[in-house]
Amino acid sequence: EPEVTQTPSHQVTQMGQEVILRCVPISNHLYFYWYRQILGQKVEFLVSFYNNEISEKSEIFDDQFSVERPDGSNFTLKIRSTKLEDSAMYFCASARDISDRRFFGQGTRLTVV
Amino acid sequence: EDQVTQSPEALRLQEGESSSLNCSYTVSGLRGLFWYRQDPGKGPEFLFTLYSAGEEKEKERLKATLTKKESFLHITAPKPEDSATYLCAVRGSSNTGKLIFGQGTTLQVKP
Repeated sequence: EPEVTQTPSHQVTQMGQEVILRCVPISNHLYFYWYRQILGQKVEFLVSFYNNEISEKSEIFDDQFSVERPDGSNFTLKIRSTKLEDSAMYFCASARDISDRRFFGQGTRLTVV
Repeated sequence: EDQVTQSPEALRLQEGESSSLNCSYTVSGLRGLFWYRQDPGKGPEFLFTLYSAGEEKEKERLKATLTKKESFLHITAPKPEDSATYLCAVRGSSNTGKLIFGQGTTLQVKP
């Protein structure tokens, strides 16, 4: 079965540093998402991306966050200046169609110290 | 505001002991209810999508059902390998396809 690939699997960064989380969605998918899950809490929506632009973002996705699909295969999430509360598991997901199942990656565990 | 509540938070079963997990939702215009399985430290793994009340789907020991207010995930004769957190999520009126997740039910099946 096709899969969504995320790198790195774990990243430790100092507060205030920039991080880029990378995702390779499934090749024929058109809808892309980032979610995050703080330890012990719900999976929360961050942003959706379609047709090379953000289609919706949550309140969490403030000016410190940005997304890009630079080359038609990678999909990245950048956090400009990390805070302690950004520590979480970040999941990338993709879907072929807006109604279709979302395939999730294995996640990047971000630890901000 | 779209909301999803799952119960119970945790469930311990003996191998072979059937049970059900509940997902209650409030959403303006349901466009899909999704069930996922999540193992510790891993991403959600797709199980089912249900779109309309009365719909049912089955896969091995799992069966998902949907009403206008809730969904059930029935587990028949579970095995230890069914131990995981089961997540319910809804796609509501948003045109972007975002999912709203419940907090999950952590299932432990003892041999």
